[in-house]
Amino acid sequence: DTAVSQTPKYLVTQMGNDKSIKCEQNLGHDTMYWYKQDSKKFLKIMFSYNNKELIINETVPNRFSPKSPDKAHLNLHINSLELGDSAVYFCASSRLTTDTQYFGPGTRLTVL
Amino acid sequence: QKEVEQNSGPLSVPEGAIASLNCTYSDRGSQSFFWYRQYSGKSPELIMSIYSNGDKEDGRFTAQLNKASQYVSLLIRDSQPSDSATYLCAVKSNSGYALNFGKGTSLLVTP
Repeated sequence: DTAVSQTPKYLVTQMGNDKSIKCEQNLGHDTMYWYKQDSKKFLKIMFSYNNKELIINETVPNRFSPKSPDKAHLNLHINSLELGDSAVYFCASSRLTTDTQYFGPGTRLTVL
Repeated sequence: QKEVEQNSGPLSVPEGAIASLNCTYSDRGSQSFFWYRQYSGKSPELIMSIYSNGDKEDGRFTAQLNKASQYVSLLIRDSQPSDSATYLCAVKSNSGYALNFGKGTSLLVTP
């Protein structure tokens, strides 16, 4: 009965590859987010979707493309991976009308 | 630039003492304030939220908010070794959807 789940938990890949991370929430929330936590532990917003529509798109390279097939899922696709993309990526969800965000377990991406 | 500032620590307190964690923010339009706890290798976990000036208590945790001074703090009473973690302050403005996080304060509770 995991609230926010992500797959895979670990992802190791070569530079230049394309990879995807999947996120699902079973909380009935209408808003989902992607955050990146770098090696210095700084957690920064990347994207947010509300009811499948993009509402936040921070300054991230256009190699990153979020996709929301329905309001319970928000996937992150990354093209042409670079060394600097190595980080932990967290998915989160909330109701738009409240502020509390619940985080998934994270995906540790390592680009070699 | 909306900034949230925290002392990175580490803050070391003996078991049973009060740990005091502080956070300042730059956006005067901020309306919602959160403290998350993050153990090493784990995801952030919500401890407290606070929206109004003053204190809010939940068990051993007390959040304090002073909007005039743009300051929010977290007190942990009777600190336990299991409280050792990084504490993240997060702030949300009325005009935005995402949380702006500070860089976190590392807390070490020594037996």
